[in-house]
Amino acid sequence: DAGITQSPRYKITETGRQVTLMCHQTWSHSYMFWYRQDLGHGLRLIYYSAAADITDKGEVPDGYVVSRSKTENFPLTLESATRSQTSVYFCASSDSGDEQYFGPGTRLTVT
Amino acid sequence: DQQVKQNSPSLSVQEGRISILNCDYTNSMFDYFLWYKKYPAEGPTFLISISSIKDKNEDGRFTVFLNKSAKHLSLHIVPSQPGDSAVYFCAATSNNAGNMLTFGGGTRLMVKP
Repeated sequence: DAGITQSPRYKITETGRQVTLMCHQTWSHSYMFWYRQDLGHGLRLIYYSAAADITDKGEVPDGYVVSRSKTENFPLTLESATRSQTSVYFCASSDSGDEQYFGPGTRLTVT
Repeated sequence: DQQVKQNSPSLSVQEGRISILNCDYTNSMFDYFLWYKKYPAEGPTFLISISSIKDKNEDGRFTVFLNKSAKHLSLHIVPSQPGDSAVYFCAATSNNAGNMLTFGGGTRLMVKP
């Protein structure tokens, strides 16, 4: 299906475990983004990528790692999950314009 | 410090009436503003935008107003419908921001039948 997808949609993990959230888009958009949504904070940018093999930190990058070996994929890895990383994670993509297209989100719970 | 603020966490409106959602920003470099709508268990979807060279942009029932001197924008929904019940996020960006958006905290709109 065309569009932007995220997997898994729901994930429960334990403190200290590594977990990877996947994001895939079929539009060949240059830009991809990872946000987390927390009550009272809206959407905060974790990392973004302007093109394959180019990534940069956003507002809240600590504890996260990203890679972009292919234009269509932008995985987000929590190397050692903490309870403060319990959140809803959204991936987004955009092309030359400012409008971003969001995936359906991944609800992550760290116990 | 939040550069984009939505000071009302929630708003309740009667069906058929006007909904006004407000957004304030502090960064004078912002020159493009967007509103996103989000339903539960879904990702945000783009609703309407406005460039800083305009003070109003209209799309059907949705109108966004921009007051640059006050660093304030608002989204008007007329008439409001129950299907408009959602969380609305204001976002801003600048020409040199590399397609990055800065989001406000969101306002939950409830339209009562």
